[in-house]
Amino acid sequence: GDSVTQMEGPVTLSEEAFLTINCTYTATGYPSLFWYVQYPGEGLQLLLKATKADDKGSNKGFEATYRKETTSFHLEKGSVQVSDSAVYFCALSDPGSNYQLIWGAGTKLIIKP
Amino acid sequence: DTAVSQTPKYLVTQMGNDKSIKCEQNLGHDTMYWYKQDSKKFLKIMFSYNNKELIINETVPNRFSPKSPDKAHLNLHINSLELGDSAVYFCASSQDRDSSGANVLTFGAGSRLTVL
Repeated sequence: GDSVTQMEGPVTLSEEAFLTINCTYTATGYPSLFWYVQYPGEGLQLLLKATKADDKGSNKGFEATYRKETTSFHLEKGSVQVSDSAVYFCALSDPGSNYQLIWGAGTKLIIKP
Repeated sequence: DTAVSQTPKYLVTQMGNDKSIKCEQNLGHDTMYWYKQDSKKFLKIMFSYNNKELIINETVPNRFSPKSPDKAHLNLHINSLELGDSAVYFCASSQDRDSSGANVLTFGAGSRLTVL
């Protein structure tokens, strides 16, 4: 079945550092890919998405590119801020599985001033 | 205006009690969900309703019973609460797929249930 694997956290960085959170997937069809973010004490919210190969999703300085050849959707940001501290979830939605969302385990990001 | 609202935000109760969590969405979405998030932040889908019809019913103890009186509401009732039910429960909704074909969920702020 479909699955999503994210790098384990917590990831701890200093402010203004470069961020990469790895995400790889397995899917039977051609899924859409998502990154959701959960700030402390809040619900999840969509950060960015990509619906086909080579698409790049971007929002709030974060980017991720849908790489079909490596089945990856790594999240990157050039210069992180303390306010980016949150839990980040990678997910996919596969038409072959009736578009049900499959979630990664989440990666906690801690940014130190 | 809150798009997906859940009540209560916090719930502390004794083992064996029965409790309910309510969810309402004002987005006009057709599909609503309940998720359970454990202390390690792992998300597990519990139920999904589309236009008041149950479409996803994962392996969840039958002490958990969802009820959807209309497509804007999905409530979760839990009987005979156990210690292991302590978690944050999230309601979410989606409009099937957006213009790009993606299934995008909008989440509520969560309801933290603590069973003593």
